[in-house]
Amino acid sequence: QSLLTQPPSVSGAPGQRVTISCTGSSSNIGAGHAVHWYQQVPKTAPKLLIYGSYNRPSGVPDRFSGSKSGTSASLAISGLQAEDEADYYCQSYDGSLSGYVFGTGTKVTVL
Amino acid sequence: EVQLVESGGGSVQPGGSLRLSCAASGFTVSSNYMSWVRQAPGKGLEWVSVIYSGGSTDYADSVKGRFTISRDNSQNTLSLQMNSLRAEDTAVYYCARGEFSSAFDIWGQGTMVAVSS
Repeated sequence: QSLLTQPPSVSGAPGQRVTISCTGSSSNIGAGHAVHWYQQVPKTAPKLLIYGSYNRPSGVPDRFSGSKSGTSASLAISGLQAEDEADYYCQSYDGSLSGYVFGTGTKVTVL
Repeated sequence: EVQLVESGGGSVQPGGSLRLSCAASGFTVSSNYMSWVRQAPGKGLEWVSVIYSGGSTDYADSVKGRFTISRDNSQNTLSLQMNSLRAEDTAVYYCARGEFSSAFDIWGQGTMVAVSS
């Protein structure tokens, strides 16, 4: 049972902006632990998209942005492109579990 | 090039054992914290275990007491010894490098473990 909850799916037309929420609790996001986001194209390994809640690794387009507030975080994709169709996962650390936790995952569909 | 390559996956019967390996190149395993993350068929990502640079380890409750993470500094490799395997352990297992903010910045290509009678 994941401690980070995401919507199962979101969709948008090319060029639109979509957001994915990640809801945690006082033992993970709410405790101040950083939130990270990954993109996973089917049959491939996850790729780090956002780290430290807001930062983009080198090579990640600035269409992707992250935010965090209280016990939740969000990933926004602006100017949606066909290549953005993938599964997206948030991740943080949970002090109660003394371990890392992933979100339930969100499938992004480009209409 | 910074890279992780897993090996050792395969098919095993319930109750059996398997040892996964992850070879690192371009960086030193012992200088970073390293984790195993798994993904059951059609399911999401699940963190399994971590070994920190100091050598301490942690495990998900679902594998505690059955799996053991270790590293070989001379070979620059990470391992996962999996005992008492169950059907629910069936998954693709990824090794991943952790960076200072607790994100996993480098991932291997994954190795499949299938537990079935």
